[in-house]
Amino acid sequence: EVQLVESGGGLVQPGGSLRLSCAASGFTFSNFAMNWVRQAPGKGLEWLSYIRSSGTTIYYADSVRGRFTISRDNAKNSLYLQMNSLRAEDTAVYYCVRESGSGSYSQYWGQGTLVTVSS
Amino acid sequence: DIVMTQSPDSLAVSLGERATINCKSSQSVLSSSNNKNFLAWYQQKPGQPPKLLISWASTRESGVPDRFSGSGSRTDFTLTISSLQAEDVAVYYCQQYYSTLYTFGQGTKLEIK
Repeated sequence: EVQLVESGGGLVQPGGSLRLSCAASGFTFSNFAMNWVRQAPGKGLEWLSYIRSSGTTIYYADSVRGRFTISRDNAKNSLYLQMNSLRAEDTAVYYCVRESGSGSYSQYWGQGTLVTVSS
Repeated sequence: DIVMTQSPDSLAVSLGERATINCKSSQSVLSSSNNKNFLAWYQQKPGQPPKLLISWASTRESGVPDRFSGSGSRTDFTLTISSLQAEDVAVYYCQQYYSTLYTFGQGTKLEIK
């Protein structure tokens, strides 16, 4: 069974930093591209970042480019999101998402971790 | 970026009736290399993460009831629930994965009339 478990969320002050982690199990992590998607309270879904299975190709949404860094450790079956210069508008539930092996759609989602940016 | 626009924003349908949600992309998501539309539909129930329903515009994910169907091509897509059940109350999102900057529609909230 595919499992994605996010951690690292919490309360942080504006301008601060936070590192999210996603522990993957139930599949060969190194074979799949991964994404981060967030959802602000009461709002829709926003795709944030993509990383290829090998880690060699990375994309970001304009809203986080230059502030957030996606990375992965295939030996540890883990995905990360380093978030710097956090703003109030970054307050959201952050989801770790695994792509399908046959297309770039989001096949499996974690339960999410809440990040609150507030003073 | 490809902009995805869903309509309506909310929808109330009687149990057993048909529900139709539309999704329009600002540019074609049909690939000439494999003749597939890079469009997915997701269902999100309160307090839960989204769940993949349909990929490639019309391919139902394993385990998804056959009352859910997807159609359309290029820029115009539709998610249809043929006979609404109480458990279908949720917010539905479309997403394009044609561009490397994936984008979602704003969501359509489906309720029981």
